[in-house]
Amino acid sequence: NAGVTQTPKFQVLKTGQSMTLQCAQDMNHNSMYWYRQDPGMGLRLIYYSASEGTTDKGEVPNGYNVSRLNKREFSLRLESAAPSQTSVYFCASSESRLTNEKLFFGSGTQLSVL
Amino acid sequence: EDQVTQSPEALRLQEGESSSLNCSYTVSGLRGLFWYRQDPGKGPEFLFTLYSAGEEKEKERLKATLTKKESFLHITAPKPEDSATYLCAVQFSGTYKYIFGTGTRLKVLA
Repeated sequence: NAGVTQTPKFQVLKTGQSMTLQCAQDMNHNSMYWYRQDPGMGLRLIYYSASEGTTDKGEVPNGYNVSRLNKREFSLRLESAAPSQTSVYFCASSESRLTNEKLFFGSGTQLSVL
Repeated sequence: EDQVTQSPEALRLQEGESSSLNCSYTVSGLRGLFWYRQDPGKGPEFLFTLYSAGEEKEKERLKATLTKKESFLHITAPKPEDSATYLCAVQFSGTYKYIFGTGTRLKVLA
């Protein structure tokens, strides 16, 4: 049982390049999330998807787009990467947003934008 | 403003030396308070959920407690394998969002 799988694990981009971070979960969860983690700032929500076909902005959505491809997959796209987007990105999932649901996290993507 | 503050930022303990980590919050209408453990290079891993003041949860050497303003994660007789960053997160009524604290980095020395 893999849980939440993220790819790639590491990525280096040049300013202005684009890329997509992939996330898939095999727990049949309805809700999926993208967070970024920066030193001294805690985990901050970028985008959220309550269910297949729906997405909502989180705390720091600027510069990002997301796609909930199906119930399993939720991707994060950087259209034109900036150094301020250097961070560790985590995908997470939960069974539902309607109750106090714990989050299951992937192992993260360490992204550097030069 | 809804806020979650964890203290201390870092803590070094000798093996067997018990201590507590603090998570204080200022949110209206707490729905749940969550504790996670994060090892270097990995994603956070769920430990506990607390829902109301007075509630306690235990798992091995860890015990989490909750009051109306803060939560404590008590570590009894820690071992080196307890070394990790411990994150606190709060979910409040009327929203799906979780507010995370910045974590406490715990190092247990053998």
